[in-house]
Amino acid sequence: GESVGLHLPTLSVQEGDNSIINCAYSNSASDYFIWYKQESGKGPQFIIDIRSNMDKRQGQRVTVLLNKTVKHLSLQIAATQPGDSAVYFCAENAGYALNFGKGTSLLVTP
Amino acid sequence: KAGVTQTPRYLIKTRGQQVTLSCSPISGHRSVSWYQQTPGQGLQFLFEYFSETQRNKGNFPGRFSGRQFSNSRSEMNVSTLELGDSALYLCASSFMSGGSTDTQYFGPGTRLTVL
Repeated sequence: GESVGLHLPTLSVQEGDNSIINCAYSNSASDYFIWYKQESGKGPQFIIDIRSNMDKRQGQRVTVLLNKTVKHLSLQIAATQPGDSAVYFCAENAGYALNFGKGTSLLVTP
Repeated sequence: KAGVTQTPRYLIKTRGQQVTLSCSPISGHRSVSWYQQTPGQGLQFLFEYFSETQRNKGNFPGRFSGRQFSNSRSEMNVSTLELGDSALYLCASSFMSGGSTDTQYFGPGTRLTVL
């Protein structure tokens, strides 16, 4: 069964607002998590990753938070822009493979 | 650096045929993974190769196979195509260290339609 899941299939935010996309995982032994962005007609694009020895990591306009106690991670996007509209996936490593969640479709409205 | 490239980008086949998809990883990357993406099942892992050896395989029937060449390029083959094999097939490569926590970078995918 699926070990990585996102809480919401769709999320609509206004341009300029902050977005938060959530993900829950079930394998407490997972030690590496990645967020990908997939635009229509393209392959998943790496956004940011985090290892289990960290609880927060920041990139350009993005922050990933990892809560190992409740097996939850989130992706925060600051000042969301129309170009951020896409499907976002969280993934966890499982040996030499990635387990992906179903994805959250982020729609940015003007 | 050029990204992961996949050929062809689009394919239309009929049931019972076989198909071969190709993937060229990022220069210097030695690990190549394949995933199937469908609206119903999402992204599912097919198999992973490192230095021409399959290290991991997902839960797919034996009709799905792959291989990796000495230059790290990879191919996957699907025999006796079924309608349910219609999907976006994605290839991802990761850095040469070959660790399980190496970041995977994806290509644009091959859209396979089975009629």
